[in-house]
Amino acid sequence: QSVLTQSSSASGTPGQRVTISCSGSRPNIGSNFVYWYQQLPGTAPKLLIYRTDRRPSGVPDRFSGSKSGTSASLAISGLRSEDEADYYCATWDDSLSAVVFGGGTKLTVL
Amino acid sequence: QITLRESGPSLVKPTQTLTLTCTFSGFSLNTNEVGVAWIRQPPGKALEWLALIYWDDDKNYNPSLKSRLSITRGTSTNQVVLTVTNMGPVDTATYYCAHLIITHGSCPDYWGQGTLVTVSS
Repeated sequence: QSVLTQSSSASGTPGQRVTISCSGSRPNIGSNFVYWYQQLPGTAPKLLIYRTDRRPSGVPDRFSGSKSGTSASLAISGLRSEDEADYYCATWDDSLSAVVFGGGTKLTVL
Repeated sequence: QITLRESGPSLVKPTQTLTLTCTFSGFSLNTNEVGVAWIRQPPGKALEWLALIYWDDDKNYNPSLKSRLSITRGTSTNQVVLTVTNMGPVDTATYYCAHLIITHGSCPDYWGQGTLVTVSS
């Protein structure tokens, strides 16, 4: 069981805006930056969002991150077929002194 | 350009010790705020963070696996080694190493391609 809770699946049609949520608690999301990763089948995770709401160079501005209290969200606008992947949230947990990951959300583009 | 590459055995027997090496380039583990982490992913399952080592040799481990894990600098300045003792079938996974910066939150930014380790007799 993951420390961070994500819905196991999400879906949308091309062009839509979808949001993936990540729920935690005060020692983790409530106190630290949140990261988001995209993992395509058979490949290593790719950084999408760091420090909660910053995009690495090369990541389209269709991807955005936010946080409120002990929950974080990844929003994808203008959904495209190539966005179909698994998405993971992660953050540092002050109580565990460890990085914790969410269980992942499988995004399907219908 | 930061790159990382994992190497080690693809098959280990139950109860054996796994030793994996992360060889990296494009950064130095002697630079303030830099760290290297190990993460694994069993087939079809979620990512699981294992351990990290910082530029100052401080280390952190997954509490549930701490007794079985060890992360150290390698013999070369651009290597980090992870050992996992008493391997079992549940440890079958793709093992990744990754670069991180502590002031950004200690989560990985650059990842290696991963190496699949299967535990079987």
